Amino acid sequence: AQKVTQAQTEISVVEKEDVTLDCVYETRDTTYYLFWYKQPPSGELVFLIRRNSFDEQNEISGRYSWNFQKSTSSFNFTITASQVVDSAVYFCALSGESRYSGAGSYQLTFGKGTKLSVIP
Amino acid sequence: KAGVTQTPRYLIKTRGQQVTLSCSPISGHRSVSWYQQTPGQGLQFLFEYFSETQRNKGNFPGRFSGRQFSNSRSEMNVSTLELGDSALYLCASRASSYNEQFFGPGTRLTVL
Repeated sequence: AQKVTQAQTEISVVEKEDVTLDCVYETRDTTYYLFWYKQPPSGELVFLIRRNSFDEQNEISGRYSWNFQKSTSSFNFTITASQVVDSAVYFCALSGESRYSGAGSYQLTFGKGTKLSVIP
Repeated sequence: KAGVTQTPRYLIKTRGQQVTLSCSPISGHRSVSWYQQTPGQGLQFLFEYFSETQRNKGNFPGRFSGRQFSNSRSEMNVSTLELGDSALYLCASRASSYNEQFFGPGTRLTVL
């Protein structure tokens, strides 16, 4: 079974501080995909990034960066110089081929989410 | 390109009733998945459809069902509603199995 753990339930930071959201995953699939989604108060999940299990290169996109470490099964997300608009719930998710339904099904397993509040 | 759309956005039903939710995927996307989000259980996978066939199903009772039409639009149905079915139901579409899923705004269902 797959599992995603986001140990931080809620984090509060003051604007312009850096913040790292932790994500630890468990899977027996050899090929899998990791994702981060943002859920603002409106409720819609906004896709941020996808990372393949065979690509451990870290990625930076503006103020966002992601650190994927296969050795520790972690996929952490850092926001640099946080802004009020970053306030949201952030979800880490994992997908891999379903062993029970055969090829082609890559359902997402989500962590419980981390609620980030950026205080002005 | 237009995003994933879901209708209705809000629904209030009473116990024992049934409900049908609709999802229109991004144009060209053939895979549609449904997720239930509750404060207690978080985001849980319901089922996935691809080319009108259910490809995978989560651990939900048979009261939860779905289907997909030839234009990739999908509906999910919940029969004999229970209080615990109150949730945000999210639909997501993707171009293929290896791609990221894009989510709609959700349908917030309240069961009284």
